[in-house]
Amino acid sequence: QQPVQSPQAVILREGEDAVINCSSSKALYSVHWYRQKHGEAPVFLMILLKGGEQKGHDKISASFNEKKQQSSLYLTASQLSYSGTYFCGTELSMDTGRRALTFGSGTRLQVQP
Amino acid sequence: DARVTQTPRHKVTEMGQEVTMRCQPILGHNTVFWYRQTMMQGLELLAYFRNRAPLDDSGMPKDRFSAEMPDATLATLKIQPSEPRDSAVYFCASGLGIWGYTFGSGTRLTVV
Repeated sequence: QQPVQSPQAVILREGEDAVINCSSSKALYSVHWYRQKHGEAPVFLMILLKGGEQKGHDKISASFNEKKQQSSLYLTASQLSYSGTYFCGTELSMDTGRRALTFGSGTRLQVQP
Repeated sequence: DARVTQTPRHKVTEMGQEVTMRCQPILGHNTVFWYRQTMMQGLELLAYFRNRAPLDDSGMPKDRFSAEMPDATLATLKIQPSEPRDSAVYFCASGLGIWGYTFGSGTRLTVV
């Protein structure tokens, strides 16, 4: 079951903030966030586990609302290096022992000077 | 830094030919995924293994694709026969689950 991401694309100026959302229609065990720059492989940013939590990584943080099966990625004071496509990946609670990681369609983020 | 190694990096082949892509996961990682990425379909899950056992290959066209993990240091993805619609970047990723996954650099496949 593929998660749904929004928005599809965001254009920011340096220093501005952005929020990327990820939602699922099924109960989630975990949410992963990855960033992919053009022509490169996706790079792991962070994982949020069932139980609801918030994590931070420099000026990039994320939350996981277990009741709503939603996660949000927050980018604050954006830098040029934040440009890329952000993917959320989800593992379903029902998939005990299997935990296939499926990805949303991605959010293209462009930070301009 | 430990890396997931994929070979070849690029492959151009004629329709109908067999294609084999290889992946060397990071030592100690027990989970290996194969994904296909296209502009239209995003990152599609093709198959995955845990402790070398196949757990899910429902995303693969069974008549032409096969995935195996003959030992802990090698995962393979084969396409036979290849078709132009198989043109994409194929990624392998490995990890331990709760620590996230590391992607290889990918194999860019072009079928003409």
